[in-house]
Amino acid sequence: QQQVKQSPQSLIVQKGGISIINCAYENTAFDYFPWYQQFPGKGPALLIAIRPDVSEKKEGRFTISFNKSAKQFSLHIMDSQPGDSATYFCAASSTLGGNSGYALNFGKGTSLLVTP
Amino acid sequence: DGGITQSPKYLFRKEGQNVTLSCEQNLNHDAMYWYRQDPGQGLRLIYYSQIVNDFQKGDIAEGYSVSREKKESFPLTVTSAQKNPTAFYLCASSIAAGSKTEAFFGQGTRLTVV
Repeated sequence: QQQVKQSPQSLIVQKGGISIINCAYENTAFDYFPWYQQFPGKGPALLIAIRPDVSEKKEGRFTISFNKSAKQFSLHIMDSQPGDSATYFCAASSTLGGNSGYALNFGKGTSLLVTP
Repeated sequence: DGGITQSPKYLFRKEGQNVTLSCEQNLNHDAMYWYRQDPGQGLRLIYYSQIVNDFQKGDIAEGYSVSREKKESFPLTVTSAQKNPTAFYLCASSIAAGSKTEAFFGQGTRLTVV
């Protein structure tokens, strides 16, 4: 009953290229959409987050695009660097709770490799 | 130095034994969470707690138990009823559940059944 679907499972991008990871959700009560970055053997760390009242949020090389009507959101990493190589997770939660909605519901993750 | 501390980092368990994973936070957060991570499965919610002395089951609570006697602590017990306990366990906390604020994660505990 995965509530957030993420693709692709893995991604290889050349240095300087754009990395794009997509997520889709079904629960219209979700109102908070963060992206987390995880390095091997470490806990995830918040990268960037968006709320549904805006369609785009940019922080440095990282941009979230949000399409409320399509129930989709994506992460764009511009000028990708080898140091960006990590696993990325999208997530969603709801202030209304219900069916674990209070807690973050995660996608299955995307393993990104940026080649030199 | 504020944060979330999980211990131990590595844990080995014999089949049929219960083990308890520790999670402590000094961020003064009300909400705490336990997730299980398996390769290719993402993070799946085991239990979460919105406040002291209260907790709710997540998506995969069977075979696990928790307690929340103190705001700072949210230990997870993996019981012998959990059929496939080998995994990476992550604890997290946030100001409040569903608060649209950052959830901070610990460094994880890798549990292996031997």
